[in-house]
Amino acid sequence: EIVLTQSPGTLSLSPGERATLSCRASQSVSSNYLAWYQQKPGQAPRLLIYGASSRATGIPDRFTGSGSGTDFTLTISRLEPEDFAVYYCQEYDDSPPWTFGQGTKVEIK
Amino acid sequence: QVQLQQSGPGLLKPSQTLSLTCAISGDSVSSRSTIWNWIRQSPSRGLEWLGRTYYRSKWYADSALSVKSRITVNADTSKNQFSLQLNSLTPDDTGVYYCARAGSGTAAGLFNFWGQGTLVTVSS
Repeated sequence: EIVLTQSPGTLSLSPGERATLSCRASQSVSSNYLAWYQQKPGQAPRLLIYGASSRATGIPDRFTGSGSGTDFTLTISRLEPEDFAVYYCQEYDDSPPWTFGQGTKVEIK
Repeated sequence: QVQLQQSGPGLLKPSQTLSLTCAISGDSVSSRSTIWNWIRQSPSRGLEWLGRTYYRSKWYADSALSVKSRITVNADTSKNQFSLQLNSLTPDDTGVYYCARAGSGTAAGLFNFWGQGTLVTVSS
């Protein structure tokens, strides 16, 4: 089972700033089967990025995923008010169980 | 557009059985290109994949080792829905339970549609 560690735990930024979130895997994620989700209070997670760098349908281009192997990054180029939320990475390599990171909260500074 | 609508009780006692249903619209539970999952979220465990069911000429189901002896995931084609049963509940099973759809093949673990979530509290 792959363990995903996200950092930082909390990111305090202002609207318009750039956010850089990290996700590190305990072993290599083959074929970059790494996804990112956004979750707002009281809502289910929403798929943002899959295949480490492909945006899901309807996701704005200010969200960029990158990385390979064990180190992955989600970058939000300019934070909009609606981007303040918790972000999770998830591996979907091979077969279940699939695992999630513990999350990074992006909060308004 | 795919929509998943969850239903089921939210307050249960230790040793009882949790039963949740996820009604599907905009897709078929019998589709050969989708997989139907249950995921839970709690402060102590974070997001945890629990189990799934899918149809590929016959029905399949599998689950996480942490709940394998207690979980049942199955489908009801007449109602186009799938369900979760988790027995021998303890307070550690408290959390928000989600149903979610995934694709097949390389997208089998990619959750692109989610239910609204059900808060389940296990307390005496």
